[in-house]
Amino acid sequence: AQKITQTQPGMFVQEKEAVTLDCTYDTSDPSYGLFWYKQPSSGEMIFLIYQGSYDQQNATEGRYSLNFQKARKSANLVISASQLGDSAMYFCAMREGASGNTPLVFGKGTRLSVIA
Amino acid sequence: ETGVTQTPRHLVMGMTNKKSLKCEQHLGHNAMYWYKQSAKKPLELMFVYSLEERVENNSVPSRFSPECPNSSHLFLHLHTLQPEDSALYLCASSQATEYTDTQYFGPGTRLTVL
Repeated sequence: AQKITQTQPGMFVQEKEAVTLDCTYDTSDPSYGLFWYKQPSSGEMIFLIYQGSYDQQNATEGRYSLNFQKARKSANLVISASQLGDSAMYFCAMREGASGNTPLVFGKGTRLSVIA
Repeated sequence: ETGVTQTPRHLVMGMTNKKSLKCEQHLGHNAMYWYKQSAKKPLELMFVYSLEERVENNSVPSRFSPECPNSSHLFLHLHTLQPEDSALYLCASSQATEYTDTQYFGPGTRLTVL
């Protein structure tokens, strides 16, 4: 079974609109971390936002917020006020276990295209 | 220079060549990683070094040989590669805290094996 599932291969959004990118995860470990990365066409993976499994509140970083629904095992990324520069691949990733320089498991990604 | 750097950014090599990829992190982290990103596949972990010791080798063929001489530098030595090894190779580093161990990535080396 896949550990990280991103069901949307591609998404389109109008500039200045909000968009939600879906991510579901699978783990039996009570301690884990969830990450979102952005990968522009240049290739670099840019860290966006982190959510720990014990965090009571949804993480937010500027225009990025993570809609964390623990019971559903989902960690959707919400981008508000989309900009043309947001066009990129977006990857959801998970670290199983407590924080400790543990490798990440990545989903297949969602390609977001922002339309002017 | 800040963050994680990788050289070269692009590499074309024949199957009989020997080359090395270099990664350097300027973040004071104590763990470094090599990932492989092939077309239409999720990122795959290759190697993890923590405090300069290899802690994970994810069933990677021996034609890939990592080296971590110190906590700031990580190399991936390549020899007798196959065309299916063509991919984007990403290096990352992290420093675990009680709360998180966010990995920060370099720009990658795009490798083409002819």
